[in-house]
Amino acid sequence: NAGVTQTPKFQVLKTGQSMTLQCAQDMNHEYMSWYRQDPGMGLRLIHYSVGAGITDQGEVPNGYNVSRSTTEDFPLRLLSAAPSQTSVYFCASSYRGRGNEKLFFGSGTQLSVL
Amino acid sequence: DAKTTQPNSMESNEEEPVHLPCNHSTISGTDYIHWYRQLPSQGPEYVIHGLTSNVNNRMASLAIAEDRKSSTLILHRATLRDAAVYYCILRDVWKAAGNKLTFGGGTRVLVKP
Repeated sequence: NAGVTQTPKFQVLKTGQSMTLQCAQDMNHEYMSWYRQDPGMGLRLIHYSVGAGITDQGEVPNGYNVSRSTTEDFPLRLLSAAPSQTSVYFCASSYRGRGNEKLFFGSGTQLSVL
Repeated sequence: DAKTTQPNSMESNEEEPVHLPCNHSTISGTDYIHWYRQLPSQGPEYVIHGLTSNVNNRMASLAIAEDRKSSTLILHRATLRDAAVYYCILRDVWKAAGNKLTFGGGTRVLVKP
């Protein structure tokens, strides 16, 4: 049981480049989400999904796109990378709950935009 | 959303208990109290959660004040592996759709050998 798997672990981009951060979970979780963490700060929610085909914006969605075509995968796309998107990105998943479910996080992708 | 307040940092000696306070004076009756921790260079890890009653699991205990305006995470015997940032987070039952957690700054715990 791998849990939540994120790839790549590290990535360096130039301003204006695009890329996709991958997230996969093998726990059949309905809920998935993406967070970013800037140095010395807590995590902030970018986008989330409550099931295949359903996504919604979080606190800091600008500059990011998501889609959820399967239960297992929830990729995060940067269409035109900017230095302000330099951060560590975490994907999380959980069962459907009403506030008492626990989230499982991936190990993160460290992204640098030059 | 109700806000939580935690000390920026705490120190403990190895094998001694650690009591991490969290104030949430504006908590609503439908807010669960969650704790996560983040070890260096890792993603957050679930620790414990509760609603009204004290809770215990293999990692920690959660003591909730009778008026629910504060809570304390208790690590019974700190080890070097417990050095991490600990986040106290409220989750409203009615706003919980999706993995929406609001992280504050957390408490950085240093464990001294």
